[in-house]
Amino acid sequence: GQSLEQPSEVTAVEGAIVQINCTYQTSGFYGLSWYQQHDGGAPTFLSYNGLDGLEETGRFSSFLSRSDSYGYLLLQELQMKDSASYFCAVRDGGTYKYIFGTGTRLKVLA
Amino acid sequence: SQTIHQWPATLVQPVGSPLSLECTVEGTSNPNLYWYRQAAGRGLQLLFYSVGIGQISSEVPQNLSASRPQDRQFILSSKKLLLSDSGFYLCAWNTGVGYTFGSGTRLTVV
Repeated sequence: GQSLEQPSEVTAVEGAIVQINCTYQTSGFYGLSWYQQHDGGAPTFLSYNGLDGLEETGRFSSFLSRSDSYGYLLLQELQMKDSASYFCAVRDGGTYKYIFGTGTRLKVLA
Repeated sequence: SQTIHQWPATLVQPVGSPLSLECTVEGTSNPNLYWYRQAAGRGLQLLFYSVGIGQISSEVPQNLSASRPQDRQFILSSKKLLLSDSGFYLCAWNTGVGYTFGSGTRLTVV
């Protein structure tokens, strides 16, 4: 079956760099996407990796290694507003469904 | 521009009452649409998805149902709510590289 694993919680200080890992098992692969969700809010799309390598969007970067079934989200120059839950997701094989990881709660300390 | 609307934002309903949540998308045609549910502090559970008018795929057999009466409209319903139906309901549209989510409906069944 399809599954994704993420650490449940990560804590870092303001200004630091943090990496949130995601390992996945899927039948077929159509890309890895990342989402941010603040408490009480809906998830918002952050980034997508369809091919191996690093994608950068401002302070956020996302990396994918298809051979290792592994990706990560890198957050630089952490700010208090980055405190949120972060989810990785992959498309489920040849379907139109996306499967989400369990989510990583990031706490940024002053 | 492409937007997704979901309402209501908050709903408190008694056990046994009916439910109707509506989601509409603007700025795109023939979107793939999804209903997810999120329990407090938990991950995202796929309930239904639709690739076109009248086409519904159910992921979790329960007392919920979904309908797609128009190309850009997706409705989640229940004839009789259970306490276990409480949660944060999210409509999503597949952009091709991931999802854009609606703002969500927080449902409390009392």
